[in-house]
Amino acid sequence: NAGVTQTPKFQVLKTGQSMTLQCAQDMNHNSMYWYRQDPGMGLRLIYYSASEGTTDKGEVPNGYNVSRLNKREFSLRLESAAPSQTSVYFCASSEYGVANTIYFGEGSWLTVV
Amino acid sequence: EDQVTQSPEALRLQEGESSSLNCSYTVSGLRGLFWYRQDPGKGPEFLFTLYSAGEEKEKERLKATLTKKESFLHITAPKPEDSATYLCAVQDGSNTGKLIFGQGTTLQVKP
Repeated sequence: NAGVTQTPKFQVLKTGQSMTLQCAQDMNHNSMYWYRQDPGMGLRLIYYSASEGTTDKGEVPNGYNVSRLNKREFSLRLESAAPSQTSVYFCASSEYGVANTIYFGEGSWLTVV
Repeated sequence: EDQVTQSPEALRLQEGESSSLNCSYTVSGLRGLFWYRQDPGKGPEFLFTLYSAGEEKEKERLKATLTKKESFLHITAPKPEDSATYLCAVQDGSNTGKLIFGQGTTLQVKP
């Protein structure tokens, strides 16, 4: 019953360091998403992958890159972390197409100092 | 521009005191309106999807309704375990399936 699994749960980075957030889903979903959640800003879409082999920018893509490694896995990379990227990151997945429920992981808390 | 606004930002209720949360939206070609519950330190948990005006869905003490401009989440006789942040999101007319979220309403139910 894992659903969407994210690693790591917590991470502290220094400004300029790089890191990758990993995400895997076991629901055989085609579409995967990365959101960030900040106080007073709600959940904002960073990148999404409608299906294996495709990725597209969301609302706030600057400073991030993604890789859809296979159908199960979708990673988010910060190449040069900035304090403005301190946030909670959520990976999510859904069946392909509209009107399908999006299921979220438990979140990754990232602090950039 | 697609937009979702939730009100109030925070709501305190006594156990058993019924109330409603509001979600107003503007979106081109609504495909679905979603309600999620989020507990502190956790990811959003799916509650309901509404697809067309007039639709209603219920789950335990929660009932979601939808009009052409807004959705309400009615909470009947809430219990302390209903305390959480409730998120509203809309899915637009594109084929991406992505969601646009409101900022949420944080509900606290006191015993």
